[in-house]
Amino acid sequence: GAGVSQSPRYKVAKRGQDVALRCDPISGHVSLFWYQQALGQGPEFLTYFQNEAQLDKSGLPSDRFFAERPEGSVSTLKIQRTQQEDSAVYLCASSAGLAYNEQFFGPGTRLTVL
Amino acid sequence: GENVEQHPSTLSVQEGDSAVIKCTYSDSASNYFPWYKQELGKRPQLIIDIRSNVGEKKDQRIAVTLNKTAKHFSLHITETQPEDSAVYFCAAKDQGGSEKLVFGKGTKLTVNP
Repeated sequence: GAGVSQSPRYKVAKRGQDVALRCDPISGHVSLFWYQQALGQGPEFLTYFQNEAQLDKSGLPSDRFFAERPEGSVSTLKIQRTQQEDSAVYLCASSAGLAYNEQFFGPGTRLTVL
Repeated sequence: GENVEQHPSTLSVQEGDSAVIKCTYSDSASNYFPWYKQELGKRPQLIIDIRSNVGEKKDQRIAVTLNKTAKHFSLHITETQPEDSAVYFCAAKDQGGSEKLVFGKGTKLTVNP
Protein backbone atom coordinates (compact mmCIF):
# COMPACT_ATOMS: atom_id res chain seq x y z
CA GLY A 1 0.00 0.00 0.00
CA ALA A 2 0.95 3.65 -0.22
CA GLY A 3 3.28 4.99 2.41
CA VAL A 4 3.39 8.42 3.99
CA SER A 5 3.65 11.16 1.41
CA GLN A 6 4.64 14.79 1.79
CA SER A 7 4.46 17.81 -0.46
CA PRO A 8 6.20 19.79 -1.65
CA ARG A 9 9.45 17.85 -1.53
CA TYR A 10 11.47 21.05 -1.77
CA LYS A 11 10.51 24.58 -0.85
CA VAL A 12 12.56 27.74 -1.15
CA ALA A 13 11.18 30.77 0.67
CA LYS A 14 12.38 34.28 1.13
CA ARG A 15 12.77 35.36 4.72
CA GLY A 16 9.46 36.65 6.01
CA GLN A 17 7.28 34.52 3.73
CA ASP A 18 4.70 32.07 5.02
CA VAL A 19 4.92 28.40 3.99
CA ALA A 20 2.58 25.42 4.27
CA LEU A 21 3.80 21.83 4.27
CA ARG A 22 1.43 18.93 3.68
CA CYS A 23 1.48 15.38 5.02
CA ASP A 24 -0.67 12.48 3.82
CA PRO A 25 -0.36 9.67 6.39
CA ILE A 26 -0.95 6.00 5.74
CA SER A 27 -4.68 5.46 5.39
CA GLY A 28 -6.32 4.62 8.71
CA HIS A 29 -3.36 5.64 10.85
CA VAL A 30 -4.54 7.34 14.01
CA SER A 31 -1.32 8.98 15.13
CA LEU A 32 0.58 11.62 13.18
CA PHE A 33 3.85 13.29 14.10
CA TRP A 34 5.91 16.17 12.75
CA TYR A 35 9.68 16.23 13.24
CA GLN A 36 12.34 18.74 12.22
CA GLN A 37 15.70 17.44 11.03
CA ALA A 38 18.59 19.87 10.79
CA LEU A 39 21.56 18.96 8.63
CA GLY A 40 23.62 16.21 10.26
CA GLN A 41 21.26 15.82 13.20
CA GLY A 42 18.58 13.40 14.30
CA PRO A 43 14.90 14.22 13.88
CA GLU A 44 13.51 16.43 16.64
CA PHE A 45 9.87 16.26 17.68
CA LEU A 46 7.59 19.16 16.87
CA THR A 47 4.00 18.05 17.44
CA TYR A 48 1.69 15.02 17.69
CA PHE A 49 -1.93 14.36 16.69
CA GLN A 50 -4.22 11.55 17.66
CA ASN A 51 -6.94 11.71 15.03
CA GLU A 52 -7.83 15.41 14.82
CA ALA A 53 -6.73 16.24 18.37
CA GLN A 54 -3.34 17.89 18.80
CA LEU A 55 -2.19 16.22 22.01
CA ASP A 56 1.36 17.52 22.21
CA LYS A 57 2.83 20.65 20.65
CA SER A 58 5.67 21.06 23.08
CA GLY A 59 8.32 20.83 20.35
CA LEU A 60 7.10 23.74 18.23
CA PRO A 61 9.95 26.29 18.37
CA SER A 62 7.80 29.43 18.41
CA ASP A 63 4.30 30.72 17.85
CA ARG A 64 5.22 31.14 14.17
CA PHE A 65 4.74 27.37 13.84
CA PHE A 66 1.22 26.01 13.61
CA ALA A 67 -0.06 22.55 12.73
CA GLU A 68 -3.52 21.19 12.07
CA ARG A 69 -5.25 17.95 11.14
CA PRO A 70 -8.90 18.99 10.89
CA GLU A 71 -10.41 15.72 9.66
CA GLY A 72 -8.00 13.33 11.30
CA SER A 73 -6.14 12.39 8.12
CA VAL A 74 -4.13 14.97 6.13
CA SER A 75 -2.06 17.38 8.20
CA THR A 76 -0.54 20.75 7.41
CA LEU A 77 2.41 22.39 9.12
CA LYS A 78 2.44 26.13 8.63
CA ILE A 79 5.36 28.40 9.33
CA GLN A 80 4.72 32.13 9.36
CA ARG A 81 7.31 34.83 8.71
CA THR A 82 10.02 32.28 7.93
CA GLN A 83 13.54 32.88 9.21
CA GLN A 84 16.86 31.40 8.12
CA GLU A 85 17.02 29.17 11.19
CA ASP A 86 13.83 27.46 9.99
CA SER A 87 15.82 25.88 7.15
CA ALA A 88 15.67 22.12 7.71
CA VAL A 89 13.96 18.95 6.53
CA TYR A 90 10.47 18.59 7.95
CA LEU A 91 9.50 14.95 8.39
CA CYS A 92 6.03 13.60 8.93
CA ALA A 93 5.41 10.16 10.45
CA SER A 94 2.30 8.15 11.15
CA SER A 95 1.50 5.11 13.23
CA ALA A 96 -1.53 2.88 13.57
CA GLY A 97 -2.32 3.94 17.12
CA LEU A 98 -1.41 3.69 20.77
CA ALA A 99 -0.95 -0.07 20.78
CA TYR A 100 1.33 0.08 17.75
CA ASN A 101 4.71 1.61 18.22
CA GLU A 102 6.19 1.69 14.73
CA GLN A 103 6.30 5.12 13.13
CA PHE A 104 6.47 5.25 9.34
CA PHE A 105 8.19 8.30 7.94
CA GLY A 106 7.48 10.32 4.84
CA PRO A 107 10.24 11.52 2.49
CA GLY A 108 10.30 14.95 4.10
CA THR A 109 10.09 18.51 2.82
CA ARG A 110 13.42 20.32 2.53
CA LEU A 111 12.80 23.96 3.40
CA THR A 112 15.42 26.53 2.52
CA VAL A 113 14.90 30.09 3.72
CA LEU A 114 17.00 32.69 1.92
CA GLY B 1 11.84 14.29 29.53
CA GLU B 2 13.73 11.60 27.74
CA ASN B 3 17.30 12.17 26.54
CA VAL B 4 19.15 9.81 24.19
CA GLU B 5 22.91 9.78 23.67
CA GLN B 6 24.45 7.88 20.74
CA HIS B 7 28.03 6.98 19.89
CA PRO B 8 30.17 6.85 17.92
CA SER B 9 29.18 9.67 15.57
CA THR B 10 31.13 8.06 12.73
CA LEU B 11 32.19 4.47 12.18
CA SER B 12 34.24 3.04 9.34
CA VAL B 13 34.61 -0.72 8.88
CA GLN B 14 35.85 -3.12 6.23
CA GLU B 15 33.31 -5.18 4.33
CA GLY B 16 32.60 -8.36 6.23
CA ASP B 17 33.46 -6.90 9.65
CA SER B 18 30.95 -6.25 12.40
CA ALA B 19 29.69 -2.83 13.44
CA VAL B 20 28.35 -1.85 16.85
CA ILE B 21 26.50 1.37 17.72
CA LYS B 22 25.58 2.19 21.30
CA CYS B 23 22.90 4.39 22.85
CA THR B 24 21.94 5.38 26.36
CA TYR B 25 18.65 6.79 27.55
CA SER B 26 17.63 8.68 30.66
CA ASP B 27 14.01 7.75 31.43
CA SER B 28 13.73 4.34 33.08
CA ALA B 29 10.03 4.28 32.13
CA SER B 30 10.81 4.15 28.39
CA ASN B 31 9.71 0.84 26.91
CA TYR B 32 10.23 0.99 23.16
CA PHE B 33 13.53 1.43 21.31
CA PRO B 34 13.63 1.53 17.50
CA TRP B 35 16.60 1.84 15.18
CA TYR B 36 16.26 3.73 11.90
CA LYS B 37 18.51 3.71 8.84
CA GLN B 38 18.63 6.86 6.74
CA GLU B 39 20.37 6.99 3.39
CA LEU B 40 21.39 10.36 2.01
CA GLY B 41 18.34 12.36 1.00
CA LYS B 42 15.94 9.57 1.93
CA ARG B 43 13.40 8.98 4.66
CA PRO B 44 14.34 7.21 7.92
CA GLN B 45 13.39 3.54 7.69
CA LEU B 46 12.87 1.23 10.65
CA ILE B 47 15.33 -1.66 10.59
CA ILE B 48 14.71 -3.23 13.99
CA ASP B 49 13.09 -2.39 17.30
CA ILE B 50 12.95 -3.82 20.80
CA ARG B 51 10.52 -3.56 23.66
CA SER B 52 11.61 -3.45 27.25
CA ASN B 53 10.27 -6.89 28.08
CA VAL B 54 13.00 -8.56 26.00
CA GLY B 55 16.78 -8.32 26.19
CA GLU B 56 17.76 -9.18 22.64
CA LYS B 57 16.20 -9.37 19.20
CA LYS B 58 17.75 -10.60 15.98
CA ASP B 59 16.82 -10.27 12.31
CA GLN B 60 19.30 -11.88 9.94
CA ARG B 61 22.51 -9.80 10.14
CA ILE B 62 21.05 -7.24 12.52
CA ALA B 63 20.58 -7.57 16.27
CA VAL B 64 19.67 -5.23 19.07
CA THR B 65 20.41 -5.75 22.76
CA LEU B 66 18.83 -3.90 25.67
CA ASN B 67 20.12 -3.50 29.22
CA LYS B 68 17.32 -1.93 31.22
CA THR B 69 19.32 -1.70 34.42
CA ALA B 70 22.08 0.28 32.76
CA LYS B 71 19.63 2.07 30.43
CA HIS B 72 21.53 1.33 27.29
CA PHE B 73 20.87 -0.48 24.04
CA SER B 74 23.06 -1.40 21.11
CA LEU B 75 22.78 -2.21 17.42
CA HIS B 76 24.96 -4.97 16.04
CA ILE B 77 25.44 -5.50 12.31
CA THR B 78 27.42 -8.57 11.27
CA GLU B 79 29.02 -9.36 7.91
CA THR B 80 28.70 -5.74 6.83
CA GLN B 81 28.16 -4.92 3.17
CA PRO B 82 28.69 -1.65 1.26
CA GLU B 83 24.91 -1.18 1.08
CA ASP B 84 24.86 -0.97 4.88
CA SER B 85 26.56 2.43 4.55
CA ALA B 86 24.12 5.04 5.87
CA VAL B 87 23.32 7.09 8.96
CA TYR B 88 21.78 5.07 11.78
CA PHE B 89 19.60 6.63 14.48
CA CYS B 90 18.55 5.10 17.76
CA ALA B 91 15.45 6.38 19.51
CA ALA B 92 13.42 5.92 22.65
CA LYS B 93 9.70 6.42 23.01
CA ASP B 94 8.93 9.17 25.49
CA GLN B 95 6.67 8.11 28.34
CA GLY B 96 5.67 11.62 29.32
CA GLY B 97 2.22 11.39 27.77
CA SER B 98 3.08 11.85 24.11
CA GLU B 99 3.90 9.03 21.73
CA LYS B 100 6.90 10.92 20.38
CA LEU B 101 10.27 9.39 19.66
CA VAL B 102 13.41 11.01 21.05
CA PHE B 103 16.34 10.39 18.69
CA GLY B 104 20.07 10.17 19.13
CA LYS B 105 22.28 12.35 16.95
CA GLY B 106 23.10 9.54 14.56
CA THR B 107 26.06 7.40 13.52
CA LYS B 108 27.42 7.63 10.01
CA LEU B 109 28.49 4.11 9.06
CA THR B 110 30.83 3.61 6.13
CA VAL B 111 31.53 0.09 4.90
CA ASN B 112 34.62 0.00 2.73
CA PRO B 113 34.75 -2.64 -0.02
